[in-house]
Formats: sequence, C-alpha cells, structure tokens
Amino acid sequence: GAVVSQHPSRVICKSGTSVKIECRSLDFQATTMFWYRQFPKQSLMLMATSNEGSKATYEQGVEKDKFLINHASLTLSTLTVTSAHPEDSSFYICSAISVSTDTQYFGPGTRLTVL
Amino acid sequence: QKEVEQDPGPLSVPEGAIVSLNCTYSNSAFQYFMWYRQYSRKGPELLMYTYSSGNKEDGRFTAQVDKSSKYISLFIRDSQPSDSATYLCAMRVDYKLSFGAGTTVTVRA
Repeated sequence: GAVVSQHPSRVICKSGTSVKIECRSLDFQATTMFWYRQFPKQSLMLMATSNEGSKATYEQGVEKDKFLINHASLTLSTLTVTSAHPEDSSFYICSAISVSTDTQYFGPGTRLTVL
Repeated sequence: QKEVEQDPGPLSVPEGAIVSLNCTYSNSAFQYFMWYRQYSRKGPELLMYTYSSGNKEDGRFTAQVDKSSKYISLFIRDSQPSDSATYLCAMRVDYKLSFGAGTTVTVRA
C-alpha cells in the first residue's frame, strides 16, 4: 500500500526557534498534500492544502507567516513552524493524495513540544 | 454547529461484542464518507471508504451511509482487543476532509 513518512517523529525545541517537518510520499507521486494538527483527545484540524509548484492554501484562522509550507516536488512537502511558542505544541500530521487511487494516505505524525 | 458530529465516548465492550459507531453531518455537499482508525500517537489509517448510500462490508467491518438522514455508521463484528483505538469518521468534498471528534474504543479481553 501507499506509504507516507514524516520526519522527525518527535521534536522538542525552545520558544522562539523554528522547526521544519518533512512529509514524503515514498512510493507514489502526490500533487496535493495536506497538513493537519491534532490536540490531545481532539480531532484532526486541517491547516493548509499544499499543491506542488504553487502556493499553499491556508484554512481560516491559520497564520501563513507562522506556518510556512513548501511543496517543492511531487514527493515532498515541508511545514516550518516559525518562532515557535508553547501554544504551538501539538501533533502535526500530513497526508498525500495518490493520483492513481484517488485516496488520501496519512503520515505517522510529528509531535512538537515547545518549551 | 460542527459540520461533523461524533460522540467521543469512551466506549468499552467485551471481546467478541459488536462495536457500533456513528456520525451525523450537516453539509449536503459531502461526496465521500470514510472511517479511519488511529492508534495512540500514530497517524490515521483508512478502514472504509464509500460514496453512496447503503452498506459496504469488508471482513469484520460494515459501513453504512444514509444520505437522506445525513448519518453514517461503522460496525465491528467479533471485536478483538487489537481493535482498541480511536475511530474517526471523515467526509470529503473535492479533496478536503472534515473529521469527527473520534470515538475511543476499548475492547476488554
């Protein structure tokens, strides 16, 4: 089956630093990837839609200057949390759409803790 | 009102019981309906995917969709301790997914 990886799986950083999270589709090409965040015992909230070669589309209430998204190739999208603060601590999950199967596959998630 | 409503539970059942989960939704534009399973600190895993009203069966899992009532269900037969997880319903318009809150299920051995 289609595999999506994320790196790192867990990161702890100091307040004010920036953190980059990578999302890769390992065995398929993905023209569209999505970034979600999930707080404890809550559901996934869509942050943005990332299209290869174009600017990301952000959901209402998500700061585009704080959460920088780059989709440089058909297999890689990155999310950079700039000037992270403790309230940015969350579980960040990416997903990618397989064009051949029209199915959205999720990565294993990245747990970000900002001290 | 949220677009997708799902009782977060928790739900605890003995091994072998039928697990019944459901979601309601308000957006008539939703085209596809899915159920995901999520283990603690892991990404969601797709279980069932359907786009029409009716039943769909896959092994021990049965998904039901009633578009007229805006109601979807997931049934797990002969539940096992390994089925203990959070189950999320999700609905799709174009390629955007809207998730329910997730129901935490524990199957007791």
